[in-house]
Amino acid sequence: GQSLEQPSEVTAVEGAIVQINCTYQTSGFYGLSWYQQHDGGAPTFLSYNALDGLEETGRFSSFLSRSDSYGYLLLQELQMKDSASYFCAPTPYNTDKLIFGTGTRLQVFP
Amino acid sequence: DGGITQSPKYLFRKEGQNVTLSCEQNLNHDAMYWYRQDPGQGLRLIYYSQIVNDFQKGDIAEGYSVSREKKESFPLTVTSAQKNPTAFYLCASGIRDTGHFGQGTRLTVV
Repeated sequence: GQSLEQPSEVTAVEGAIVQINCTYQTSGFYGLSWYQQHDGGAPTFLSYNALDGLEETGRFSSFLSRSDSYGYLLLQELQMKDSASYFCAPTPYNTDKLIFGTGTRLQVFP
Repeated sequence: DGGITQSPKYLFRKEGQNVTLSCEQNLNHDAMYWYRQDPGQGLRLIYYSQIVNDFQKGDIAEGYSVSREKKESFPLTVTSAQKNPTAFYLCASGIRDTGHFGQGTRLTVV
């Protein structure tokens, strides 16, 4: 079976650092993607981890540990515009589909 | 510029009517997907296609149908058999590590 867990909501202040965790249960997967979605908008791609370890892209970093079935998205120097929902999405083996969870709503306060 | 175009942005349907949502991409991607999103929820996969003239059911395919006659196009029909069709529909394309989404169609049944 497949299941995903993310916190439903996270709050932080501008300039802070926040970590959004993702735990998953799949029978095997290629990698883990992260997407950002602002209210009323479409999801936009943030990062992809094909291998264990940390991937850094500007203020955002993503981490994957296959042995722990765990990943996280790290957002640094938070800005108001980072207020959005964030989804982790593993891709199971032998498919090209992305499995999305219910996402984490991040609210950044001044 | 390459991208995915969904139309219309807003759609109103009477109960009992079928309606077709358009999705076109010029990114030369083989894989295309349809997701449904309800308020405050994650994305649930309706159908996906990995190649022309072939498609597979996702997690919530009942009441929906698709076709993939051309690489660029993946229309979704919401049939009268779909009991609760009011939702935000998102089309996506791409391989597992860089999914591209259209801007979505908001369907309301009146």
